[in-house]
Amino acid sequence: QVQLVESGGGLVKPGGSLRLSCAASGFTFSDYYMSWNRQAPGKGLEWVSYISSSGNIIYYADSVKGRFTISRDNAENSLYLQMNSLRAEDTAVYYCARGLGGLALNFDYWGQGAMVTVSS
Amino acid sequence: QSVLTQPPSVSGAPGQSVTISCTGSSSNIGAGHDIHWYQQVPGTAPKLLIYGNTNRPSGVPDRFSGSKSGTSASLAITGLQAEDEADYYCQSYDSSLSACVFGGGTKLTVL
Repeated sequence: QVQLVESGGGLVKPGGSLRLSCAASGFTFSDYYMSWNRQAPGKGLEWVSYISSSGNIIYYADSVKGRFTISRDNAENSLYLQMNSLRAEDTAVYYCARGLGGLALNFDYWGQGAMVTVSS
Repeated sequence: QSVLTQPPSVSGAPGQSVTISCTGSSSNIGAGHDIHWYQQVPGTAPKLLIYGNTNRPSGVPDRFSGSKSGTSASLAITGLQAEDEADYYCQSYDSSLSACVFGGGTKLTVL
């Protein structure tokens, strides 16, 4: 069965960095787009970034552009999110999700989430 | 503020039907981009409920249905059950933003 397991969350000071990982299993990872979505405490869902199956197409939300970098290692079935210059408003649960479809990707499987807290 | 607008809350009694709207614009729903719906029970990850405007993934009951018209979309839930109490989100793509976008979410309360 499809499994997505995030890791790397934690507490970081404003301006700091953190790297999230997502380990995928149960499907051919290299065939699928992958995405990071997030949810601030008590708030709604927000798309952060997605990457194509081969890694040559990448999009970011304006709120993270220039600070976050998405990448993947198809040999390791892993997705990553490097987060730099973190701000308090980046505090959220970060979900790794598998993407299907064209521009309007739908996310058919989600991980359990990794909590990132940005606070001094 | 989300580019896809949903009502903050809806409610209904067990057995009744409810509809959740998702209003967009000419750069997202009106541009022909697909709408997807997710169900999220508090404290858990979202679950895909409807994809491609009207399609249900395997395992989703046919009590859930989606529709789309013009710059709006709707999620209908018939025969409400206590387990349907959750937050519901619509999602699409916005050509002006070059970004995936979510609605603000709707909390469904089963009375």
